[in-house]
Amino acid sequence: EAGVAQSPRYKIIEKRQSVAFWCNPISGHATLYWYQQILGQGPKLLIQFQNNGVVDDSQLPKDRFSAERLKGVDSTLKIQPAKLEDSAVYLCASSLQTGGSGEQFFGPGTRLTVL
Amino acid sequence: KNQVEQSPQSLIILEGKNCTLQCNYTVSPFSNLRWYKQDTGRGPVSLTIMTFSENTKSNGRYTATLDADTKQSSLHITASQLSDSASYICVVRAAGNKLTFGGGTRVLVKP
Repeated sequence: EAGVAQSPRYKIIEKRQSVAFWCNPISGHATLYWYQQILGQGPKLLIQFQNNGVVDDSQLPKDRFSAERLKGVDSTLKIQPAKLEDSAVYLCASSLQTGGSGEQFFGPGTRLTVL
Repeated sequence: KNQVEQSPQSLIILEGKNCTLQCNYTVSPFSNLRWYKQDTGRGPVSLTIMTFSENTKSNGRYTATLDADTKQSSLHITASQLSDSASYICVVRAAGNKLTFGGGTRVLVKP
């Protein structure tokens, strides 16, 4: 069974530029999550999708971050414009059970460096 | 406020030795607790899941304990190997499916 795929693995941009990350969850997983993990800290949930609907985006900085999962499969997370403090690893995860009650499977992450 | 505190933040152990990581939480109402292992440059991978009624659960050389009364969990690594070098993250799920992540413990196993 293929795992959660993310791309790119690494990205370096200058502040005020835009960047987009892509995630393809495990086939059949209805729930998809985006996390921000700052070095030395645990992941922080940015947004949770159930199929193509948003379940929780309470910690998403909506003035600069946006995410979509139009067809209920893969997802894109965008930052526009980026700030220095956005430097982090962005993890995508998916889970099988509806309501997000099951185990989350994580992708390898995208390491973003904002200069 | 739901919180998960892990200690120590980091530790160094010699190969073959044992170590214990701690996780204290204030999440309520409690549903379950998972320990994840995160290798450098990788996403977290689940090691164990503990529900309210479970006190101990093992996964190879990893043994997790849960004391739901004191809201504490521990992860014990037996006979550590170089491949155990990673961050270990404690994640607590509330009954409404909200997850709270700990900050992790970074373990370095030296030969």
